[in-house]
Amino acid sequence: AQSVSQHNHHVILSEAASLELGCNYSYGGTVNLFWYVQYPGQHLQLLLKYFSGDPLVKGIKGFEAEFIKSKFSFNLRKPSVQWSDTAEYFCAVTGDTGRRALTFGSGTRLQVQP
Amino acid sequence: GAGVSQTPSNKVTEKGKYVELRCDPISGHTALYWYRQSLGQGPEFLIYFQGTGAADDSGLPNDRFFAVRPEGSVSTLKIQRTERGDSAVYLCASSRQGGSYNEQFFGPGTRLTVL
Repeated sequence: AQSVSQHNHHVILSEAASLELGCNYSYGGTVNLFWYVQYPGQHLQLLLKYFSGDPLVKGIKGFEAEFIKSKFSFNLRKPSVQWSDTAEYFCAVTGDTGRRALTFGSGTRLQVQP
Repeated sequence: GAGVSQTPSNKVTEKGKYVELRCDPISGHTALYWYRQSLGQGPEFLIYFQGTGAADDSGLPNDRFFAVRPEGSVSTLKIQRTERGDSAVYLCASSRQGGSYNEQFFGPGTRLTVL
């Protein structure tokens, strides 16, 4: 069975600080990787996704993530955070076989202080 | 265009009661997913529909939970004999097609509270 671990449960940063949120997955086959974001009072929305090809993926709002197969990781990064990035961030995975639905990590709550 | 909608947005019920939660997917999306999100956790998969049929119901926790999608569009999640542990936000998502390569679009969720 696939699983996702997000080790940072709550992160507090000042504006302009750099961000890296950890995500590790467990799955025996080919994976598809996602980062979703949930802003306060809003729906879950997709930030970026990786299916294949260039392991460095760029998403919306200046976010990027790097797939490192040897480490089973897909960490999310942003060079300079803004107050508006305050949200909860979820890493998720699907596989090429078996369950088609997303398997989510427990999420990381990011708080950016002005 | 319109996104995924879910009704009601909040539902408070008493232990032992029956509840129905509704999901209207994005028009034309053939795949529909139900997830449950407990406080402090990520969403957990419940059931996946491809068209009218449940392609994967392995996430349903027990036989008190049931979902239908009779015409391949709107879906209803039904919970019988509700328990306090059923309290959570129930999320619905849809995608253009099934399969792991298709982006899932999420609705706002229904917050269920069982007293």
